[in-house]
Amino acid sequence: KAGVTQTPRYLIKTRGQQVTLSCSPISGHRSVSWYQQTPGQGLQFLFEYFSETQRNKGNFPGRFSGRQFSNSRSEMNVSTLELGDSALYLCASSLGRRSGSYNEQFFGPGTRLTVL
Amino acid sequence: GENVEQHPSTLSVQEGDSAVIKCTYSDSASNYFPWYKQELGKRPQLIIDIRSNVGEKKDQRIAVTLNKTAKHFSLHITETQPEDSAVYFCAAYYSGAGSYQLTFGKGTKLSVIP
Repeated sequence: KAGVTQTPRYLIKTRGQQVTLSCSPISGHRSVSWYQQTPGQGLQFLFEYFSETQRNKGNFPGRFSGRQFSNSRSEMNVSTLELGDSALYLCASSLGRRSGSYNEQFFGPGTRLTVL
Repeated sequence: GENVEQHPSTLSVQEGDSAVIKCTYSDSASNYFPWYKQELGKRPQLIIDIRSNVGEKKDQRIAVTLNKTAKHFSLHITETQPEDSAVYFCAAYYSGAGSYQLTFGKGTKLSVIP
């Protein structure tokens, strides 16, 4: 099976712009979660999508949003970029069979976003 | 929500020695605890996990222990090798009150000195 893929791998934007990141999960996986990784802060949960619905949300401002398509591919959007948004954005997919029970998450390679 | 504390943030050991990384979690509703290894420039990968109904689990040179009462769990790596050098993340899966979330610690950078 092909692994989780993310595009683009690298992105440079300026403050105030918006950006859209894409994640294609492993075939058959219906859940996609997004994380922000910064040095010293580890991986911080942004949100999770399952069957085109946002199932969970972390503590990030409304500038961060996402969606999931019928083929389980997911996009994440950040509007009005700030310098502090510079980070590695990782998505992870899982079977997502049932809320409440854990399904192993498989990570993509990430998108490195730099905001100037 | 859940909060996961991880220590130490950096750890250097001589090749062949053991390494121990410790994590604590705050919410007793968390019931699954995975450990991820992230090599430089690569994606995090699951290396071992433990469920709340198990106290210890081993896989070759890696072991994880869980103390539910104290709400802490640890990763033990024996006979360390240079290829063990990476950042290790612990996590706790919280399931309760309509919310399901994997919360990560801030990571431990392990350096194995040849």
